[in-house]
Amino acid sequence: DGGITQSPKYLFRKEGQNVTLSCEQNLNHDAMYWYRQDPGQGLRLIYYSQIVNDFQKGDIAEGYSVSREKKESFPLTVTSAQKNPTAFYLCASSSLTEYGTDTQYFGPGTRLTVL
Amino acid sequence: ILNVEQSPQSLHVQEGDSTNFTCSFPSSNFYALHWYRWETAKSPEALFVMTLNGDEKKKGRISATLNTKEGYSYLYIKGSQPEDSATYLCAYYSSASKIIFGSGTRLSIRP
Repeated sequence: DGGITQSPKYLFRKEGQNVTLSCEQNLNHDAMYWYRQDPGQGLRLIYYSQIVNDFQKGDIAEGYSVSREKKESFPLTVTSAQKNPTAFYLCASSSLTEYGTDTQYFGPGTRLTVL
Repeated sequence: ILNVEQSPQSLHVQEGDSTNFTCSFPSSNFYALHWYRWETAKSPEALFVMTLNGDEKKKGRISATLNTKEGYSYLYIKGSQPEDSATYLCAYYSSASKIIFGSGTRLSIRP
């Protein structure tokens, strides 16, 4: 089945540790996105990528890093520099037919808790 | 600062009743508006993509309208059913390539 997978579903991290969240898609989409959701807030864009080996910062990129070595994969690393990393993280992908009209397909999310 | 507001934050509706809620967005630099439905324990799913002022889209009992001049979109659900229970998100696309999501309207249908 085509879709987006994220792993793990739940992740616990000690303060000061880096952690990497996985996102894989088999939809042959060019664009991939990482969002963060906090209680009572909308999804906020962390990073996005439109092509392999290229990515752009979103609104809240500080303390995060990404890579796009393969079209199918867009892992997100939450570094120790991220001051408040406990949140729900959603990955999405879309085609790039025309900006604004391509719907995003979302993964199931990863809930990260910093202990 | 670009802001996208959804109201109400939550809504409880009796099964069979119709309901509607609002997404407000900046009227300047508008490019597109998306509606998504997010059921508990599932991933958000796209409902509508709207680009033109006056657009009306429909999918079954759910429909949406768009007013880009005043900066709002309405989502309507006719004859609510338990399976309509979800959080409904709107996402504003600006012409400056910014995507901003609202915080959602959480809809609960009482049987």
